[in-house]
Amino acid sequence: QKEVEQNSGPLSVPEGAIASLNCTYSDRVSQSFFWYRQYSGKSPELIMSIYSNGDKEDGRFTAQLNKASQYVSLLIRDSQPSDSATYLCAVRTNAGKSTFGDGTTLTVKP
Amino acid sequence: DAGVTQSPTHLIKTRGQQVTLRCSPKSGHDTVSWYQQALGQGPQFIFQYYEEEERQRGNFPDRFSGHQFPNYSSELNVNALLLGDSALYLCASSLARDRGGETQYFGPGTRLLVL
Repeated sequence: QKEVEQNSGPLSVPEGAIASLNCTYSDRVSQSFFWYRQYSGKSPELIMSIYSNGDKEDGRFTAQLNKASQYVSLLIRDSQPSDSATYLCAVRTNAGKSTFGDGTTLTVKP
Repeated sequence: DAGVTQSPTHLIKTRGQQVTLRCSPKSGHDTVSWYQQALGQGPQFIFQYYEEEERQRGNFPDRFSGHQFPNYSSELNVNALLLGDSALYLCASSLARDRGGETQYFGPGTRLLVL
């Protein structure tokens, strides 16, 4: 079992719809959780960070964390074609090591 | 505000050679982490440097070594290159005392091809 698991996709949604990306992790001592967006051939770009159970909203993006279920998700509202990318979930322990999932590829169709 | 920079952007080497990649952290950051990203996979943690010392290390062989300089910039060295070392090498910088959980910001990466 991988430490951080994501559905590889591809996930395809129509423009204007809500895209839902999911991530599970195995290390219960994980403290910090991050979502990155990576366009093809580019480096990861930070979208959201979340540290406490519940929801955190930033514009069209909402991150949800449930530590009891070891689950973190990212919702993208009003999806745009420019949101088409690979979304990486990253989990960090207090020791400082970050573990990434292999990413979910999202395609937003006009 | 200068972001994370890396050099070179691309590199082609042959098996057995050695390579050095360089990274300058975002202004104000003191911690540098290195990752290897193979095609279709997420970044794999190599190691992290803080105060010129290796603080954390992932599951990479000793062929992978690094250094951090007093100005916080860092180098990644890979000896005896293998074909499997072909990947995108990413540098990420952060602030150790960041109450936000050491948010990492990535550089543009160095794409290494080993022939």
